[in-house]
Amino acid sequence: KQEVTQIPAALSVPEGENLVLNCSFTDSAIYNLQWFRQDPGKGLTSLLLIQSSQREQTSGRLNASLDKSSGRSTLYIAASQPGDSATYLCAVPNQAGTALIFGKGTTLSVSS
Amino acid sequence: DAGVTQSPTHLIKTRGQQVTLRCSPKSGHDTVSWYQQALGQGPQFIFQYYEEEERQRGNFPDRFSGHQFPNYSSELNVNALLLGDSALYLCASSSSGGRYREQYFGPGTRLTVT
Repeated sequence: KQEVTQIPAALSVPEGENLVLNCSFTDSAIYNLQWFRQDPGKGLTSLLLIQSSQREQTSGRLNASLDKSSGRSTLYIAASQPGDSATYLCAVPNQAGTALIFGKGTTLSVSS
Repeated sequence: DAGVTQSPTHLIKTRGQQVTLRCSPKSGHDTVSWYQQALGQGPQFIFQYYEEEERQRGNFPDRFSGHQFPNYSSELNVNALLLGDSALYLCASSSSGGRYREQYFGPGTRLTVT
């Protein structure tokens, strides 16, 4: 059974710091991995989707990497800003491709 | 191009009552999935609808049921509400034509059961 774990659960950093969020999964036979952002009480915003054949994806100050063999993905945020404060979730599809399996998320707080 | 929409935004119900949540998929999408997100947890898959039928179901009791209409919109019904059903309910849509299609999420419906 696929399980997704995110460490740390919470992170507080001063503005301007570069930071890394971690995601691990137990079954390496994934098709893709997706990172989402969630503001308090809101829906999910897709940040990056990495296909299993890719090693990384970049969007602006965000860079996500994927290492299937070790069952890990990282989300790197450069030059963090207070507006980056949110919960970041990673998810992988189940084998049928019908459902996403999520971690519990990392709640990021960036202080000015 | 409208994204995924959900209604209502917030809902307060009493234990034992029934509730219906609604979702309209993103334009061009024909598949709708529902997730439950308890406070401090990641979303949990409830079920997915395609061609007006339940394609797959997560580990949720029969009190949770759904429906998909010919225009691809969907409803989630929950009967005999429990306090533990209080959560954010998220709808996601995707297109068919292959597995592992990217899912796009709506803003969610916050359900509070008192």
